[in-house]
Amino acid sequence: QKEVEQNSGPLSVPEGAIASLNCTYSDRGSQSFFWYRQYSGKSPELIMSIYSNGDKEDGRFTAQLNKASQYVSLLIRDSQPSDSATYLCAVRGSSASKIIFGSGTRLSIRP
Amino acid sequence: EAQVTQNPRYLITVTGKKLTVTCSQNMNHEYMSWYRQDPGLGLRQIYYSMNVEVTDKGDVPEGYKVSRKEKRNFPLILESPSPNQTSLYFCASSQEPGANSPLHFGNGTRLTVT
Repeated sequence: QKEVEQNSGPLSVPEGAIASLNCTYSDRGSQSFFWYRQYSGKSPELIMSIYSNGDKEDGRFTAQLNKASQYVSLLIRDSQPSDSATYLCAVRGSSASKIIFGSGTRLSIRP
Repeated sequence: EAQVTQNPRYLITVTGKKLTVTCSQNMNHEYMSWYRQDPGLGLRQIYYSMNVEVTDKGDVPEGYKVSRKEKRNFPLILESPSPNQTSLYFCASSQEPGANSPLHFGNGTRLTVT
């Protein structure tokens, strides 16, 4: 079992719709959770961080965390073509020295 | 501007020729880390450093060395590069481990070993 798992996609969503990205993790002691966006050939860019159960909203983005289910998700509302990218889920586990990344979900927003 | 700076951006070399990829951050971050990114495998940690003179292996350390003599710099050294080290490399830093601090990434170094 991978430590952080994501569906690789591609996930195709029409412009203006809600894109839903999911991530599961194996370390129950995980402390911090991050979503990064990465355009092809570019460096990962932090979109959201979440540390406690529930929802956290920032503009068109909402991160959701459920520690009991070891599940974290990212919702993108009113999807735009510029949202087309690979989205990386990252988890800082019980060993705070490491942040483990999922292999990413490729999102494509179709006009 | 707060940033992590890697050099060079692109590097083509031959098997066995020692090389160094530099990484520097100007945010006074304690934690620094190197990742490699390969298609289908995501970002894998090579080495990390919790503070000056403190380094430790990540998940894929074989064939790499690092040093942390100063807080701002964390070079990645390939003593004898091989073709399987062809990859996209990222340096990253964060305020301190254990805190709720995300990683800030450099722009990446695309390395090709022939």
